[in-house]
Amino acid sequence: DIVMTQAPLSVSVTPGESASISCRSSKSLLHSNGITYVYWYLQKPGKSPQLLIYRMSNLASGVPDRFSGSGSETDFTLKISRVEAEDVGIYYCGQLLENPYTFGAGTKLELK
Amino acid sequence: QVKLQQSGAELVKPGASVKLSCKTSGYTFSTSYMSWFKQIPGQSIEWIGMIYAGDGGTGYNQKFKGKATLTVDTSSSTAYMDLSSLTTEDSAVYFCARKGNFDYWGQGVMVTVSS
Repeated sequence: DIVMTQAPLSVSVTPGESASISCRSSKSLLHSNGITYVYWYLQKPGKSPQLLIYRMSNLASGVPDRFSGSGSETDFTLKISRVEAEDVGIYYCGQLLENPYTFGAGTKLELK
Repeated sequence: QVKLQQSGAELVKPGASVKLSCKTSGYTFSTSYMSWFKQIPGQSIEWIGMIYAGDGGTGYNQKFKGKATLTVDTSSSTAYMDLSSLTTEDSAVYFCARKGNFDYWGQGVMVTVSS
């Protein structure tokens, strides 16, 4: 199985500041079709996960452009600019390249 | 708008089975995939498997083969997951999510296995 390793496991951010979360996969997530199958989700307290970024760098519908995704074949970053109170929760990276789809342990974002 | 409505919380005894449902609306269910996930409170997300509503074709995480069985009813646009031979390790929140990018999720259902 592909292992997704996130860092840090928790981050405390002052509102208005930026935050970055890293994710590393144990195998390249670049498919031969040129698409990198890494995704980012936010799970707010008591809620279902919500899609933020798909295929490494594409912003999901309705997601503020304060969120952005980037990376290479195995190293990925989610950046949140100008953190707001509504961004609090646990962020997960996941790979949808191959069965079984797997997710990182999560990064908890809280406000200072 | 797209909605995935899951059935209510379940309290079941060890050794029993439970069938969870995920009723959809707002999109063409019959030509789409549905996936199911397990999340033990405080832990990450595990992918259980997926089903194509068009023909009922399935793909499972090897870990959940024999534990979970996915089915669909296209007449009601509903996906189902049967969990069998339940143990306390199956106590968790289970989500359905529309595959593609997992852009829409059900609200989750808590399954508690206890005698």
